[in-house]
Amino acid sequence: ELKVEQNPLFLSMQEGKNYTIYCNYSTTSDRLYWYRQDPGKSLESLFVLLSNGAVKQEGRLMASLDTKARLSTLHITAAVHDLSATYFCAVDKNGVPNTGNQFYFGTGTSLTVIP
Amino acid sequence: EPEVTQTPSHQVTQMGQEVILRCVPISNHLYFYWYRQILGQKVEFLVSFYNNEISEKSEIFDDQFSVERPDGSNFTLKIRSTKLEDSAMYFCASRKTSGGTDTQYFGPGTRLTVL
Repeated sequence: ELKVEQNPLFLSMQEGKNYTIYCNYSTTSDRLYWYRQDPGKSLESLFVLLSNGAVKQEGRLMASLDTKARLSTLHITAAVHDLSATYFCAVDKNGVPNTGNQFYFGTGTSLTVIP
Repeated sequence: EPEVTQTPSHQVTQMGQEVILRCVPISNHLYFYWYRQILGQKVEFLVSFYNNEISEKSEIFDDQFSVERPDGSNFTLKIRSTKLEDSAMYFCASRKTSGGTDTQYFGPGTRLTVL
């Protein structure tokens, strides 16, 4: 079974600091997705990464994908309190077309930004 | 912007009872999914559905579970005889195609509590 691991699991950082969340996965895939989840809420799509070397940026968040290393990173620049949430990466199992391609989710990183 | 909707937002039931969780996927999407998230844990895949049939299911999705698309808009998850360990947040998701640039869009979730 495809395994997806994130680290750290918990991250407490001060406002204004930078940090990176890592997402490793165990099998070949070139489709990686990042989601944000606020407490008690649903998953909000942040980034879709579809090829090796893909880099996407939105505000203070930047995501990248290295398919050879089976690694994606989510970099936070100059963190603000509003970024406090749990961040999940998810890998799309490459498979037969029209078979649904379930997402395998990482363990999640709970981020707390302290003023 | 179109979104996935789910009802009810919270369902409390007695062990052994049947529950039906309802979802309305985004209207032009073709792939539908159910995931669950036990409190504080990662999101786990249950089942995917395409072209009016199940395309993939996980080990969690045993004979107690079933899915249906009874009309052109609703997508339901039925648990025939609920167990305490079925208590979780259940998310419905939909996707336009099976891959490429499309992510999965998640509904707000139904919190199922089995007493």
